[in-house]
Amino acid sequence: GAVVSQHPSRVICKSGTSVKIECRSLDFQATTMFWYRQFPKQSLMLMATSNEGSKATYEQGVEKDKFLINHASLTLSTLTVTSAHPEDSSFYICSALVGQGRGYTFGSGTRLTVV
Amino acid sequence: GESVGLHLPTLSVQEGDNSIINCAYSNSASDYFIWYKQESGKGPQFIIDIRSNMDKRQGQRVTVLLNKTVKHLSLQIAATQPGDSAVYFCAEVSGGYQKVTFGTGTKLQVIP
Repeated sequence: GAVVSQHPSRVICKSGTSVKIECRSLDFQATTMFWYRQFPKQSLMLMATSNEGSKATYEQGVEKDKFLINHASLTLSTLTVTSAHPEDSSFYICSALVGQGRGYTFGSGTRLTVV
Repeated sequence: GESVGLHLPTLSVQEGDNSIINCAYSNSASDYFIWYKQESGKGPQFIIDIRSNMDKRQGQRVTVLLNKTVKHLSLQIAATQPGDSAVYFCAEVSGGYQKVTFGTGTKLQVIP
């Protein structure tokens, strides 16, 4: 149980375009979701935390107008990378809080390449 | 802060030996700690967790030790297998489960 489905797994886009990444909780309600970015051979860096129905809380240095997060339902959160540039190329991973005391579950990640 | 430009430390162990992966955490107020395994191109996979009021927890072939005095966490894997080869991250949780901070990670290489 407690599965998060993340799509797409890979996406290649042209510089200047926008890309949307979706994360769905399949068998539980995800009131809190987290979005991470991971560069090669580095750790996961938290970008933002979103609670259903509220505005996302962004970490310092993350541009909220560039990385749009929507968490409009208890089973879906989306991250939209707007006006993507090659430096936005990275591995993006979502995570959901399953419940207090039950930990977190992660999506399978999205490899974004901006050309 | 970000670990920009750093390479993951690597631990190489012989198949069948025990592995010990270490992690230093930063926030003394963290109340929950988790070890994750990440294979190439995939999301992190839960291994084991421990609460701050405990100092040891055992799972199947894995043990987590917590030393709050020196803010140190370790993951012990018994009888390491080739399938254990991956990158291992510790994570500290604070703020009422609202903040999860990952450590820098260790790459485990199992030599057959």
